[in-house]
Amino acid sequence: KAGVTQTPRYLIKTRGQQVTLSCSPISGHRSVSWYQQTPGQGLQFLFEYFSETQRNKGNFPGRFSGRQFSNSRSEMNVSTLELGDSALYLCASSFEARSETQYFGPGTRLLVL
Amino acid sequence: GNSVTQMEGPVTLSEEAFLTINCTYTATGYPSLFWYVQYPGEGLQLLLKATKADDKGSNKGFEATYRKETTSFHLEKGSVQVSDSAVYFCALKGDRGRRALTFGSGTRLQVQP
Repeated sequence: KAGVTQTPRYLIKTRGQQVTLSCSPISGHRSVSWYQQTPGQGLQFLFEYFSETQRNKGNFPGRFSGRQFSNSRSEMNVSTLELGDSALYLCASSFEARSETQYFGPGTRLLVL
Repeated sequence: GNSVTQMEGPVTLSEEAFLTINCTYTATGYPSLFWYVQYPGEGLQLLLKATKADDKGSNKGFEATYRKETTSFHLEKGSVQVSDSAVYFCALKGDRGRRALTFGSGTRLQVQP
């Protein structure tokens, strides 16, 4: 069974631009979560989607948004990029929202110049 | 809120040495506990987990026991290999409220031949 896939793997943007990252969960998984990893803040939860509905949201500004499609694929969008948004963005999937184990993708590394 | 505290790294060991990475947590209720490993340039891989007190998770020679009385989930391995060099993250998932993973800051392990 294929793992979680994320595209693109690497991205370079400039301040003020917006970016969209994509995540395809493991087949059959309906819950997708997003995390941001930076050297200074570590791993922080962004949001979780289940059956096309946002179930939980972390403490990030409204510039960070996401959605989930009927096939469980998810996208996250960051508008008006700031230098501090440079990070590794990780997507994780689980069978359902209450599942214990989340499986992570390889991440998208975003560099904002 | 929930929190996870890990020992600071890097931890540098010689091959075949014994490994312990300390992890303590703060959470209400009965969280599930996890160890994830991150190799350079990659996402997170689930190493092991424990879902209730006194459970022992194990995988690839690594072990960790869920100790509720000391709120700890220390990672151990009897004989490390160079290939174990990576960053190790302790994490918990609460059993109530927001069920996202809360991560520790990570511990870098360097194993020398």
